[in-house]
Amino acid sequence: SQELEQSPQSLIVQEGKNLTINCTSSKTLYGLYWYKQKYGEGLIFLMMLQKGGEEKSHEKITAKLDEKKQQSSLHITASQPSHAGIYLCGADMWEYGNKLVFGAGTILRVKS
Amino acid sequence: EPEVTQTPSHQVTQMGQEVILRCVPISNHLYFYWYRQILGQKVEFLVSFYNNEISEKSEIFDDQFSVERPDGSNFTLKIRSTKLEDSAMYFCASARAVRWNEQFFGPGTRLTVL
Repeated sequence: SQELEQSPQSLIVQEGKNLTINCTSSKTLYGLYWYKQKYGEGLIFLMMLQKGGEEKSHEKITAKLDEKKQQSSLHITASQPSHAGIYLCGADMWEYGNKLVFGAGTILRVKS
Repeated sequence: EPEVTQTPSHQVTQMGQEVILRCVPISNHLYFYWYRQILGQKVEFLVSFYNNEISEKSEIFDDQFSVERPDGSNFTLKIRSTKLEDSAMYFCASARAVRWNEQFFGPGTRLTVL
């Protein structure tokens, strides 16, 4: 099984709708990072979560970390075309050194 | 705002040739990384570097790969004899500390091996 599972794989939403992307780790986390990527381009840092129950927001994007479940969710409120892209979660896991393990990504399309 | 830069943005090479990918990390960062992403696949860790030595490397990072910090600012990834399967986007990242610190990613170098 995958160390870091992201769901869904892809998502098409109508502009203005809310959506949630999940990321679940099979190993204990030090931290969980969310990045956004346009296809074939670099990674743009969104948020870093460290402690269980931590929640952070940036503009219309909110991310939470559930330490018990080793899971994070990324929620976008009132989606806009500019939110379209690939959302990646990256995990800093206890078992490893300081590398990040990435999920497979969630492709988000926003229909106008 | 400080950023990680990478050159070139795109490199095309023939199989068997050596390539050097260059990165300039953020100046006060101490930890440096290379990741790669084969088109349509996950971002995969290659190697981390601290205090002028490799601190961790993945199974992908075999003897064909090497990293160097030749001066105070550059961080390079060398692939000695490229294979077709080395075609990927290569990302450099840097961080100030090892834990609970954002890894800042560069824009990537797209390597195409023909």
